[in-house]
Amino acid sequence: EAQVTQNPRYLITVTGKKLTVTCSQNMNHEYMSWYRQDPGLGLRQIYYSMNVEVTDKGDVPEGYKVSRKEKRNFPLILESPSPNQTSLYFCASRMPGQGLYEQYFGPGTRLTVT
Amino acid sequence: GQNIDQPTEMTATEGAIVQINCTYQTSGFNGLFWYQQHAGEAPTFLSYNVLDGLEEKGRFSSFLSRSKGYSYLLLKELQMKDSASYLCAVRDRNSGTYKYIFGTGTRLKVLA
Repeated sequence: EAQVTQNPRYLITVTGKKLTVTCSQNMNHEYMSWYRQDPGLGLRQIYYSMNVEVTDKGDVPEGYKVSRKEKRNFPLILESPSPNQTSLYFCASRMPGQGLYEQYFGPGTRLTVT
Repeated sequence: GQNIDQPTEMTATEGAIVQINCTYQTSGFNGLFWYQQHAGEAPTFLSYNVLDGLEEKGRFSSFLSRSKGYSYLLLKELQMKDSASYLCAVRDRNSGTYKYIFGTGTRLKVLA
């Protein structure tokens, strides 16, 4: 089954404790992206990757890091989480280029930082 | 700058037709998408427009006017299961890369 998976699905952590949210897709997609979703603010793009070893900042990259060492995986790293990073996070992937290549979203990771 | 506006909330009756509007401003427009998102779930793709005009897909249609920076999603024969948030998103192309800008979503309530 074609899918995007994220782990963990739920996480409660404390300020400053480094964490990684994993994202993996089995569709051989080149483009992958991370979003956060907050009430009243909608989905905002954090980072995206056009291909292996190619990453770019989205609209809200501060406090986050990503890496793309292989095509299927795109982990999101919070080196020193803070309470304002409490949010619902989605990973997504799509085929490269323009045209009708819609994004496939993972199930989401609900992160709480206390 | 880049901006997308859509109404926060709408209410309609089962069996009716509802139109959700979206206006946008981007520097490198490269397509407009509509997604449906049920509470607590991931967004799922509904429609895509890159040229002006209407795209129809079953009970859902989407319209685009690039000159006006305007799109709408039309839902016909509303069903209770259509109660969800509807997200308008624009793909923006800049220097060969693609970013996505989402609106805040329109929460649709379908009443019996």
